[in-house]
Amino acid sequence: DAKTTQPNSMESNEEEPVHLPCNHSTISGTDYIHWYRQLPSQGPEYVIHGLTSNVNNRMASLAIAEDRKSSTLILHRATLRDAAVYYCILRDLAGGTSYGKLTFGQGTILTVHP
Amino acid sequence: EAQVTQNPRYLITVTGKKLTVTCSQNMNHEYMSWYRQDPGLGLRQIYYSMNVEVTDKGDVPEGYKVSRKEKRNFPLILESPSPNQTSLYFCASSSIEGASRSPLHFGNGTRLTVT
Repeated sequence: DAKTTQPNSMESNEEEPVHLPCNHSTISGTDYIHWYRQLPSQGPEYVIHGLTSNVNNRMASLAIAEDRKSSTLILHRATLRDAAVYYCILRDLAGGTSYGKLTFGQGTILTVHP
Repeated sequence: EAQVTQNPRYLITVTGKKLTVTCSQNMNHEYMSWYRQDPGLGLRQIYYSMNVEVTDKGDVPEGYKVSRKEKRNFPLILESPSPNQTSLYFCASSSIEGASRSPLHFGNGTRLTVT
């Protein structure tokens, strides 16, 4: 199953944009890129996902490289409530083995300074 | 309200005493999975189930069992718990049909301590 690589930690100031990178050099053609975040003392929650095109929702934007070997989660204006661990994973929605077996890794710890 | 419910939230037990952590979802999801979270190791998948009576191993299945007799329930069974299974456990579910099949929904976690 394809793996992802993320920086261990990143810092940002409140009200500033945050770009969280994820490398997935062994991504397959049917792998979707998913992002989740885990707030302190909570279970992970879904943020956004995409296949090839950039995606926007109320929480964030997802920018996907043309070769799909990397992606970036963009928080346009970080708030203190965005301080969390962010996970990038791959899910094969064509029904391949990586649909069921998921590897989250350690994620990126985002610290937001007031 | 759509949710994944884990019970109990906290559990302290002794080595060797069989226990079950329950997971139930009310979204009619086909896919369910269990994870453990330990400091410095992130989320690691224990087992997953693609549908009723279909289960498979994740990355760290040793010492755990699961069953999927009904679509909504996916219990995690520790037949003989050991201290190295002290951890925070999460259950998750998702649909596998159509455009809405991708997001994982997580429970609030079960903190297990084995002494």
